[in-house]
Amino acid sequence: KAGVTQTPRYLIKTRGQQVTLSCSPISGHRSVSWYQQTPGQGLQFLFEYFSETQRNKGNFPGRFSGRQFSNSRSEMNVSTLELGDSALYLCASGVNYGYTFGSGTRLTVV
Amino acid sequence: QQPVQSPQAVILREGEDAVINCSSSKALYSVHWYRQKHGEAPVFLMILLKGGEQKGHDKISASFNEKKQQSSLYLTASQLSYSGTYFCGTEDYGGSQGNLIFGKGTKLSVKP
Repeated sequence: KAGVTQTPRYLIKTRGQQVTLSCSPISGHRSVSWYQQTPGQGLQFLFEYFSETQRNKGNFPGRFSGRQFSNSRSEMNVSTLELGDSALYLCASGVNYGYTFGSGTRLTVV
Repeated sequence: QQPVQSPQAVILREGEDAVINCSSSKALYSVHWYRQKHGEAPVFLMILLKGGEQKGHDKISASFNEKKQQSSLYLTASQLSYSGTYFCGTEDYGGSQGNLIFGKGTKLSVKP
């Protein structure tokens, strides 16, 4: 079966811009979780969606938001980008059986 | 509330054994273990639920001591392919499903 698909793989944005990342979970999985990975902070939990509802949220500013659609695909949005937002953004599905992570989106803010 | 992993890094020769520890200050419901190779996404190794069970995956096994809120990952007869960064992720009773908190990782390097 197809894995977790994230698009795009790479992004370069300018400070102040906004960005939208997309994630399609494994078919049949209704939960999608988002993580930010940086060398200094490691894997930081952003939020989790289940059946179009945000079920959990990590400790990130309101500039970080997300949503989930009826087909379980999820998007996350970061507004007013800052240099510190440069990171690998990972989405994952299937926590009950062990996460399957997507390949991630590498965001660089310049 | 982030679990603490130790050691931060370890270097092994092929065939040697290693233990990676994960400790939490919270009562844990489950512990997950993942391995991430450079430039790749983390890959799931195993999940341990409360009850002190031990699981195995080839020559990699793990234990979970619920009372001590600790888990250990055991790598025996290490192979070059074991190199990577190992993360534990924890679910605690105060949190909800889908909210794994990860440790900062243990970088494992296996040399020929």
